[in-house]
Amino acid sequence: KAGVTQTPRYLIKTRGQQVTLSCSPISGHRSVSWYQQTPGQGLQFLFEYFSETQRNKGNFPGRFSGRQFSNSRSEMNVSTLELGDSALYLCASSLGGEADTQYFGPGTRLTVL
Amino acid sequence: GDSVTQMEGPVTLSEEAFLTINCTYTATGYPSLFWYVQYPGEGLQLLLKATKADDKGSNKGFEATYRKETTSFHLEKGSVQVSDSAVYFCALSDRGNQGGKLIFGQGTELSVKP
Repeated sequence: KAGVTQTPRYLIKTRGQQVTLSCSPISGHRSVSWYQQTPGQGLQFLFEYFSETQRNKGNFPGRFSGRQFSNSRSEMNVSTLELGDSALYLCASSLGGEADTQYFGPGTRLTVL
Repeated sequence: GDSVTQMEGPVTLSEEAFLTINCTYTATGYPSLFWYVQYPGEGLQLLLKATKADDKGSNKGFEATYRKETTSFHLEKGSVQVSDSAVYFCALSDRGNQGGKLIFGQGTELSVKP
């Protein structure tokens, strides 16, 4: 079974631009979660989508948004990029039940100049 | 709110040494507990998990026991190898969240020397 895939793997943007990241979950998984990883703040939860609905949300500003499609693929959008948004963005998929294992993709490395 | 605290790294060991990485948690509910590992340039891989008190998760020689009385989930391995060099993350998922939201510790970098 194919794992979680994320595209693109690397991105370079400038301040003020917007960016869209994509995540394709493992076949059959209905939940997709997004995390931001930085050296200073570690791994922080952004949001989770389940069956096209946002089910959980972390403490990030409204510039961070996401959506999920009927095939469970998910996109994350960051508008008006700031230098501090430079990070590794990880997505994870699961069946969506309590304590179900989340399987992570390789991440998208975003650099904001 | 819920939180996870791990011992600070980096931890440097010689091959075949015994490994312990401490992890304690604070949760309002009754969480499930996980250990993930991240190799350089990669995403996170699940190492092991435990969903209730006294459960022992194990995988690839690593073990961790869910201790509700001490709110701990320490990771252990009897004999580490160079290939175990990576960053290890302890995490929890609160049952009330219906899954999908993991809270991570800050990570512990392990370096194993030949």
